[in-house]
Amino acid sequence: EAGVAQSPRYKIIEKRQSVAFWCNPISGHATLYWYQQILGQGPKLLIQFQNNGVVDDSQLPKDRFSAERLKGVDSTLKIQPAKLEDSAVYLCASSFGGGSTDTQYFGPGTRLTVL
Amino acid sequence: AQTVTQSQPEMSVQEAETVTLSCTYDTSESNYYLFWYKQPPSRQMILVIRQEAYKQQNATENRFSVNFQKAAKSFSLKISDSQLGDTAMYFCAFISGGSQGNLIFGKGTKLSVKP
Repeated sequence: EAGVAQSPRYKIIEKRQSVAFWCNPISGHATLYWYQQILGQGPKLLIQFQNNGVVDDSQLPKDRFSAERLKGVDSTLKIQPAKLEDSAVYLCASSFGGGSTDTQYFGPGTRLTVL
Repeated sequence: AQTVTQSQPEMSVQEAETVTLSCTYDTSESNYYLFWYKQPPSRQMILVIRQEAYKQQNATENRFSVNFQKAAKSFSLKISDSQLGDTAMYFCAFISGGSQGNLIFGKGTKLSVKP
């Protein structure tokens, strides 16, 4: 079974530029998550989708971050404009259902450096 | 709000020995789940073990076991017969039983297994 795929693996941009990350979840998984992992900290949930609907985006900085999951499969996370403090690893995860009992499977992450 | 605390930023252990990683959490809920995730260097995060709060029996998975002390809100991970491949960041995580899927992570413990 293929795992969660993410691209690119690494990205370096200058502040005020825009950037987009892509995630392809495990086939058949209805729920997709985007986490932000700043160096030295644990991941923090940014947004959760169930199929193509948003379940939780309470911690997403909506003035600069946006995410979509068209057709309930792939997802993109965009930052525009980027700030220095956005430097982090962005992790995508998916689960079969969306509840607390469902195991979340993580992708390899995209490491973003904002200069 | 729930919090997860890992008080050991770094630990090391000799190959074949046993090591225990500590985790404490704070919650007012009675229904929740606890997890340990492993994040090897430059590789994706994987689930090591999970514990349901309503279960008194400690979870075990091969060489990995937990010591779940609900009253003390403590959830430690014991790794027996440590192997070089156990070298990784280990994250303790909490999820509310009523949650849609928001995992709350600690800051992690960097474990180094030495030959």
